[in-house]
Amino acid sequence: GQNIDQPTEMTATEGAIVQINCTYQTSGFNGLFWYQQHAGEAPTFLSYNVLDGLEEKGRFSSFLSRSKGYSYLLLKELQMKDSASYLCAVRDDTDKLIFGTGTRLQVFP
Amino acid sequence: DTGVSQDPRHKITKRGQNVTFRCDPISEHNRLYWYRQTLGQGPEFLTYFQNEAQLEKSRLLSDRFSAERPKGSFSTLEIQRTEQGDSAMYLCASSLVGTVSSYEQYFGPGTRLTVT
Repeated sequence: GQNIDQPTEMTATEGAIVQINCTYQTSGFNGLFWYQQHAGEAPTFLSYNVLDGLEEKGRFSSFLSRSKGYSYLLLKELQMKDSASYLCAVRDDTDKLIFGTGTRLQVFP
Repeated sequence: DTGVSQDPRHKITKRGQNVTFRCDPISEHNRLYWYRQTLGQGPEFLTYFQNEAQLEKSRLLSDRFSAERPKGSFSTLEIQRTEQGDSAMYLCASSLVGTVSSYEQYFGPGTRLTVT
């Protein structure tokens, strides 16, 4: 079966660092994505990992361990506008995305 | 704005009515995907096209749902005899397979369907 797990909610303070974890068990693996989604809006692409290791893009970094079925998204220097849902998704062997339920992050001043 | 557009943005309909949604992908993109998202959940895959060919359809998609992409450009998703459980955000995404950045799917703003 397909299973992607991530925490439902997280809170953090402006300027802090937060790590959102994602574990997955899927039939086939062609990469792992992180998307950001503000309430009522479409998901927007943040990062893509297909090989093990860390990908850094500005304040956001994403890590993948394929052997452990594990990824995390690291957000640094948090800003109020980072309050959103963060979706972990695996591209399976037929190229469709399998999403987790999303992690709702609230950033407080 | 990702360049993917969907119409309408909102649709309220009565149970039993038929509805049709349209998606216009980024013009050169050959793959088009439909997802459904309910409140508090991540998007779930419904179906996808490569050009005009429908390559995969989710088991979740009942016979009341049909999708087309007649000329390999825009796509329509029709729901017949709507039920309250069909209330959701319907998201369309597109990608260009066969290039270096073909992994990324660009999402449209979605069509929010409310069945009363």
